[in-house]
Amino acid sequence: EIVMTQSPATLSLSPGERATLSCRASQSVSSSLAWYQQKPGQAPRLLIYGASTRATGIPARFSGSGSGTEFTLTINTLQSEDFAVYYCQQYNNWPPITFGQGTRLEIK
Amino acid sequence: EVQVVESGGGLVQPGGSLRLSCAASGFTFSSYWMSWVRQAPGKGLEWVANQDGSAKYYVDSVRGRFTISRDNAKNSLYLQMNSLRAEDTAVYYCVRVYVFGKNFFDHWGQGALVTVSS
Repeated sequence: EIVMTQSPATLSLSPGERATLSCRASQSVSSSLAWYQQKPGQAPRLLIYGASTRATGIPARFSGSGSGTEFTLTINTLQSEDFAVYYCQQYNNWPPITFGQGTRLEIK
Repeated sequence: EVQVVESGGGLVQPGGSLRLSCAASGFTFSSYWMSWVRQAPGKGLEWVANQDGSAKYYVDSVRGRFTISRDNAKNSLYLQMNSLRAEDTAVYYCVRVYVFGKNFFDHWGQGALVTVSS
């Protein structure tokens, strides 16, 4: 089983700042990495797949990078609606499909 | 518009059974793999099961107790849950797999809450 580890657990930033979220895989997942955003009381929403491809309708301020075992989600110029929990997920080697434990992005 | 809507959640005693349903619309259901993902209260996301055509896959913690199935004629996905345990308490999401072989999820339902408690 591939273990996904996200850091930090909580990130406190102000609107307008840049957020950098990390995700590490216990073994290479190539570029088979997705990112999701979840707001309280809502289902997750797909942001990024293939490590760097934005899903339909996702603003350009969201970008993903990395391959192998190290991945980054960057959110430029944080908007109030971006404060949420973010999960990474690998789909290279399954079953099981595995998620990271999440990073909570909160308003400072 | 793509929609997936879960139903069938509720309160069940430990050892009991429950069947979740997911009604899909807005896309050619038979052409897509589907999955179930769950989220325990206050916790992260956990993949539960996939149905890829006729093949079925499960996370170890539910294998032998849960069964995923689908009815393409009814555009529906199901999750039969038997021998339920307290640790199965979660919101269960029906999710569409983006494309054949790429097991990430581009559409999620609103979730069905399953509570296992006496």
